[in-house]
Amino acid sequence: DGGITQSPKYLFRKEGQNVTLSCEQNLNHDAMYWYRQDPGQGLRLIYYSQIVNDFQKGDIAEGYSVSREKKESFPLTVTSAQKNPTAFYLCASSIEPQIDNEQFFGPGTRLTVL
Amino acid sequence: SQQGEEDPQALSIQEGENATMNCSYKTSINNLQWYRQNSGRGLVHLILIRSNEREKHSGRLRVTLDTSKKSSSLLITASRAADTASYFCATERASKIIFGSGTRLSIRP
Repeated sequence: DGGITQSPKYLFRKEGQNVTLSCEQNLNHDAMYWYRQDPGQGLRLIYYSQIVNDFQKGDIAEGYSVSREKKESFPLTVTSAQKNPTAFYLCASSIEPQIDNEQFFGPGTRLTVL
Repeated sequence: SQQGEEDPQALSIQEGENATMNCSYKTSINNLQWYRQNSGRGLVHLILIRSNEREKHSGRLRVTLDTSKKSSSLLITASRAADTASYFCATERASKIIFGSGTRLSIRP
């Protein structure tokens, strides 16, 4: 997990509330990614950013928002519009925006909606 | 549907045995990557094999790629209890990296 931190590790939210997940990297990587993982499943791409002040929707962006104001930070907001937000969220980064670069992952945040 | 699909979904072997996992994909690729995930943790990159390579080794890991069959295999030799994890292949589709649903490997002592 070295170089990428995610906080908090566990997060509980009431229905109807927005919540922001933190992702910070000190690897000087240009590209950052957010994935969602459901039990026994693979990863699905929510949003990605190839450079500061720019980001693109992934396969399941509805109900989520991101910002990339600094190179080292890529926070993810889970809004009340996300109908089934309980999941494990993983942040990753890669050296360059080329899509086939190795990705480095954070330890993840487990979000539970009560 | 997924670009990469791992097979089997779950695998349980005795410690010391070899473990083989397979990945099939649908479209042409530049490379294919294998990742490992311990329960409740982030993914760790294991190995990347390019489309012009047929085989690659890293320690006890051996990866093969057959572009004509659009498939790759990951072999872990002399398995250890610490190899217990989920293993994912990742390929590119439409300028995004797509992860398969993974193979859950359990090593019995």
